[in-house]
Amino acid sequence: SQQGEEDPQALSIQEGENATMNCSYKTSINNLQWYRQNSGRGLVHLILIRSNEREKHSGRLRVTLDTSKKSSSLLITASRAADTASYFCATDAGSGFKTIFGAGTRLFVKA
Amino acid sequence: DAGVIQSPRHEVTEMGQEVTLRCKPISGHNSLFWYRQTMMRGLELLIYFNNNVPIDDSGMPEDRFSAKMPNASFSTLKIQPSEPRDSAVYFCASRRGGGRDTEAFFGQGTRLTVV
Repeated sequence: SQQGEEDPQALSIQEGENATMNCSYKTSINNLQWYRQNSGRGLVHLILIRSNEREKHSGRLRVTLDTSKKSSSLLITASRAADTASYFCATDAGSGFKTIFGAGTRLFVKA
Repeated sequence: DAGVIQSPRHEVTEMGQEVTLRCKPISGHNSLFWYRQTMMRGLELLIYFNNNVPIDDSGMPEDRFSAKMPNASFSTLKIQPSEPRDSAVYFCASRRGGGRDTEAFFGQGTRLTVV
């Protein structure tokens, strides 16, 4: 079963616009991570936010975490055509290292 | 480091045949994960190992699936006998430092087609 669920399932924007993707999860977590997957490739880690953190930045990426609402958002600013990919949130929960992925958001950035 | 290496990249096999997927994790990483990705079910965690020991195999769909990690640098996922519904992309990923608060590095995946 999936822990995280992304919203929207698909997003189409123009180059230069910002893209926001949301993730909701069900149980308490140790951390939340965002990954990117280009078509036919493996997943690539983007950013990790710990349960005691509320916001984190990395280049054009901004991630927020609201543990009271069990939700996170990923903002990509000034999007580029090369950002076209699927984006997944993943959560680590419990005492083990079990990382569960959501269904993903497909982002399409039009040049 | 070359990253997580999976082989083969593509596998086409007939129903009933045994299939073995292989994974070499990044050196020094002591957690290893096997995932399966399909359009219908998304990315599912099948099993994960820590220090070569299987920790949680609750995601393994049925007894036809088995996974081993005989040493820190090699793992296999075996399906015997294979069925058409096993067709999917299988990913291996590894993490360092026991896995806590660390990122997972994924291989390029093995695309399995069972006909």
